[in-house]
Amino acid sequence: AQSVTQPDIHITVSEGASLELRCNYSYGATPYLFWYVQSPGQGLQLLLKYFSGDTLVQGIKGFEAEFKRSQSSFNLRKPSVHWSDAAEYFCAVGGSIIQGAQKLVFGQGTRLTINP
Amino acid sequence: GAVVSQHPSRVICKSGTSVKIECRSLDFQATTMFWYRQFPKQSLMLMATSNEGSKATYEQGVEKDKFLINHASLTLSTLTVTSAHPEDSSFYICSAREWEGRQRQFFGPGTRLTVL
Repeated sequence: AQSVTQPDIHITVSEGASLELRCNYSYGATPYLFWYVQSPGQGLQLLLKYFSGDTLVQGIKGFEAEFKRSQSSFNLRKPSVHWSDAAEYFCAVGGSIIQGAQKLVFGQGTRLTINP
Repeated sequence: GAVVSQHPSRVICKSGTSVKIECRSLDFQATTMFWYRQFPKQSLMLMATSNEGSKATYEQGVEKDKFLINHASLTLSTLTVTSAHPEDSSFYICSAREWEGRQRQFFGPGTRLTVL
């Protein structure tokens, strides 16, 4: 069964500092990988996704993530965080339509706090 | 990007009553919609997959008679929590997929249900 692990429940960084949020997945085939951001009391916004091709994907708001098959990881990075980046971040894995596993499985989430 | 709305955004009800939550895709037709449940400080858990014109597919452990899902049109899916109890209090989020070949899901803003 597919699963996602986000090892860090809560991370605090200073504004302007770099950020890396970790995500490890377990999936039997080539995964479709996603990062979402959730502000308090709101739904999810897609930051970026990986389906195939270049393993370094660029997303919105200056985020990027790198797919490393050998490590089963899809870590999210940002070179310089802004106070507005404070939110909950979720990594998710899903299968392809062809594989019939269209459902998304989410990690536990990482809460990001930004110090001024 | 595509827009998905949910109504109501918040609802408080008495134990034993039923509550209906609507999920609408505003600018696209959604053949498939998903319903998730999120407990405080936890991840999203998929409850069911709703396909237009057919019965919903429920995840293991989700009571289909408790959580009634109707997907009567390509732009509307409803989740009815029947005979709600305090343990049903949660954040319910829907998502919609544009068409069969698209993997990307667009999430609604969520509905906060509180059962007294």
